[in-house]
Amino acid sequence: AQKVTQAQTEISVVEKEDVTLDCVYETRDTTYYLFWYKQPPSGELVFLIRRNSFDEQNEISGRYSWNFQKSTSSFNFTITASQVVDSAVYFCALSGISQGAQKLVFGQGTRLTINP
Amino acid sequence: GAGVSQSPRYKVAKRGQDVALRCDPISGHVSLFWYQQALGQGPEFLTYFQNEAQLDKSGLPSDRFFAERPEGSVSTLKIQRTQQEDSAVYLCASSSPRDGTQYFGPGTRLTVL
Repeated sequence: AQKVTQAQTEISVVEKEDVTLDCVYETRDTTYYLFWYKQPPSGELVFLIRRNSFDEQNEISGRYSWNFQKSTSSFNFTITASQVVDSAVYFCALSGISQGAQKLVFGQGTRLTINP
Repeated sequence: GAGVSQSPRYKVAKRGQDVALRCDPISGHVSLFWYQQALGQGPEFLTYFQNEAQLDKSGLPSDRFFAERPEGSVSTLKIQRTQQEDSAVYLCASSSPRDGTQYFGPGTRLTVL
């Protein structure tokens, strides 16, 4: 069975601080995808990134960076120089990569509040 | 439209009523998913379509839940004889075979009184 754990339920920081959101996963699949989604107060899930399990290269996109470590089954997300607009609930998710589309298994989410 | 759309955005039902929730996927996306998100929780998978074929309905919580996608585009999630525990946000997502990434609609917030 697949499982995603986001141990941090809520995080609150002051604007401009760096913040890391943790994600740990479990799967028996040898190949899989990992995702991060952002859910602002409006409720829509916004896609941020997808990583393939055989590509452990870290990725940076502006103020966002992701650290994928297969050895510890973790896929952590760091926001550098946080801004108030980053306030949202962030979800880590996992899916298989077999033929056809695969359902997403989500973590419980981390509510991030950036205070001015 | 450019994204996934869902209607209605909000639905209030009395216990025992039937409801129908609509999802309009991104044009050309053959895969369509329904998820249920309870308050303060992550979304949980309900069912999956590839074109008009329902390939996985393992997440539907009871036989009161039924989904269809008759022409391989718009999908409807129907809940019969609604119960209070059905109160949640119902999210629809679609993906293309080339990409595989699921893009979500704004959701329908269902409240059962």
